[in-house]
Amino acid sequence: KAGVTQTPRYLIKTRGQQVTLSCSPISGHRSVSWYQQTPGQGLQFLFEYFSETQRNKGNFPGRFSGRQFSNSRSEMNVSTLELGDSALYLCASSAIGGHTEAFFGQGTRLTVV
Amino acid sequence: AQSVSQHNHHVILSEAASLELGCNYSYGGTVNLFWYVQYPGQHLQLLLKYFSGDPLVKGIKGFEAEFIKSKFSFNLRKPSVQWSDTAEYFCAVNSGGGADGLTFGKGTHLIIQP
Repeated sequence: KAGVTQTPRYLIKTRGQQVTLSCSPISGHRSVSWYQQTPGQGLQFLFEYFSETQRNKGNFPGRFSGRQFSNSRSEMNVSTLELGDSALYLCASSAIGGHTEAFFGQGTRLTVV
Repeated sequence: AQSVSQHNHHVILSEAASLELGCNYSYGGTVNLFWYVQYPGQHLQLLLKYFSGDPLVKGIKGFEAEFIKSKFSFNLRKPSVQWSDTAEYFCAVNSGGGADGLTFGKGTHLIIQP
């Protein structure tokens, strides 16, 4: 069974640009969550999608958005990039979300210059 | 809002030593508790989880954790560590209904010396 796939693995963007990251969950999983990992703040929850609907959202500005497609693949978008957005962005998939086990991808390392 | 506190940011042990990593959370209601591990260069993997029932849960690779509700704690233990246990360990919690994402602690960097 293939794991959670995130693309691209590495990305360098300029301040003010926007970026889209992609996540393909494990086959059959309907919930996809996104997390930001930084040395200072650790792992922080961005949002969760289930069956194409955003169910939960963390405490991030509106520049961070996401969506989920009918095949459960998810994208997250960050507009008007700031230097502080440099981080490892992790995607996690689970069967139904909530308290079921979440499987994490390798992450996308975003560097904003 | 929930929060998770991991007491030790860096721990260095010798092989065969016993391990206990502290985790405390703040949340007034029912919680689900998790320990994740991140080996160097690898993705986060679930070590063990607690949803309900026996407060002593056993996970993979000989790890176990005990949920003590009165202390809001979920400490991770292993009787005898190995060099391969060198990794970053994260405690995480979400509400019992699972209606929100995981709240993680800042992590504990564990180094096992051969």
